[in-house]
Amino acid sequence: NAGVTQTPKFQVLKTGQSMTLQCAQDMNHNSMYWYRQDPGMGLRLIYYSASEGTTDKGEVPNGYNVSRLNKREFSLRLESAAPSQTSVYFCASGGRALGGNIQYFGAGTRLSVL
Amino acid sequence: GENVEQHPSTLSVQEGDSAVIKCTYSDSASNYFPWYKQELGKRPQLIIDIRSNVGEKKDQRIAVTLNKTAKHFSLHITETQPEDSAVYFCAASTPTGTASKLTFGTGTRLQVTL
Repeated sequence: NAGVTQTPKFQVLKTGQSMTLQCAQDMNHNSMYWYRQDPGMGLRLIYYSASEGTTDKGEVPNGYNVSRLNKREFSLRLESAAPSQTSVYFCASGGRALGGNIQYFGAGTRLSVL
Repeated sequence: GENVEQHPSTLSVQEGDSAVIKCTYSDSASNYFPWYKQELGKRPQLIIDIRSNVGEKKDQRIAVTLNKTAKHFSLHITETQPEDSAVYFCAASTPTGTASKLTFGTGTRLQVTL
């Protein structure tokens, strides 16, 4: 039982290059999320998916696209990377508990855009 | 949308002392409030959570209190230990259809000194 798995762990891109961050969960959760974490700014939601086949924008969606491939997988794509997208990216999946939605995080992808 | 403010941004306590971190939220529809601990270079991990119909919850040395009227909630850590040193994030969960979105505070860096 791996939980939430993200690949790659590290990536360096040049401005204008594209890449896809992969995320998979094995907890049978319906909801999945992508966040970015920048120093002093906490975790900000980029996109989320309430269930397979649906995606919605979060707080900072510009410059990103997502695909909910199936219940397990939720990918984040940068079509034309910019230095402002240098960040640590976390994927999370959400399971219902206590009337809320506990989110479990992957180990993160550290991305540098030069 | 929801806005979560967290204070202080840094907190230094001596081992054995108590630490308190405070958060306020803006959206009265938020109904679930988790706290995450993030060690350096690691993923955020849930340490305690509380739902909106509960005023206080305790788990060993950590406790969370919630004042719905004032829209604020706090994390209390007693008998602090060096391994409590980390960044702590509060969050508020807002229902959005079939999913819930978490809005995070900007984090508190707790340092426990010997």
